[in-house]
Amino acid sequence: KNQVEQSPQSLIILEGKNCTLQCNYTVSPFSNLRWYKQDTGRGPVSLTIMTFSENTKSNGRYTATLDADTKQSSLHITASQLSDSASYICVVRLNTGGFKTIFGAGTRLFVKA
Amino acid sequence: DTEVTQTPKHLVMGMTNKKSLKCEQHMGHRAMYWYKQKAKKPPELMFVYSYEKLSINESVPSRFSPECPNSSLLNLHLHALQPEDSALYLCASSQYSGQGDEQYFGPGTRLTVT
Repeated sequence: KNQVEQSPQSLIILEGKNCTLQCNYTVSPFSNLRWYKQDTGRGPVSLTIMTFSENTKSNGRYTATLDADTKQSSLHITASQLSDSASYICVVRLNTGGFKTIFGAGTRLFVKA
Repeated sequence: DTEVTQTPKHLVMGMTNKKSLKCEQHMGHRAMYWYKQKAKKPPELMFVYSYEKLSINESVPSRFSPECPNSSLLNLHLHALQPEDSALYLCASSQYSGQGDEQYFGPGTRLTVT
C-alpha cells in the first residue's frame, strides 16, 4: 500500500534552535518527493523537490535529504524563526505517468520566542 | 506573476444553496487541480484538468461539479452540500502534467456548510 508517514506529529522548539522532521514512504514506483510548508488557512508552498538520484537539497535555512534505499527523507530547519511555525507536508509522486501523489499527514511546528 | 488566486476567501452556505468557487492563474499553466483539506489533515485530490479536459475525478460526489472554461480559470460548482463537506478547498496549477512539475497552490476557500 502506498503510504507516506511523517514524524513527529507536532513539535515545539525555541526560536533560534534547529530541528529535523522525518518522512518515511512506501510509495512505488517513486518519482519525486517534495516538502511543502503550509501556514494555517493558506495553501502549501513548495520548499524542495528531490528525485531518486538526489541526496541533499537546500533552500535557505531548509535542507532536505533523501535516502532512496531506505525510503526516508528529512527536512532540517536551521536557526528557526517565529515565521517557521507552520505545517510541513511531505508529498511523494508516483512514476505512473499520471498525477498520482501521496500526501503525508504533516508535522505541525511551533516556534516559540 | 506566480500567483494562484481563489475567490471567495470564505463561504458559508446552507445545504440547499448553489454556489461556486473560482480559481484563476496567469502563469500559462496547463494543468489545474482541486483539493479538499479538512483540519489537521493533508489535502485530498478531487479533480485534475489537463489542457482544459477533466483528467482525474477521484470519485468525488456529484454535488461537486468542476468546470474549466479556459486554461486560466477553474470553477467548482457546489449544490446540495452536506455539513461534512465543510473544509478548506485548495486550487493548484502546474505548467504541464509531467512528473516533476511544481504545483502552485492558491490560498484556499474556507467553506462552511450549515
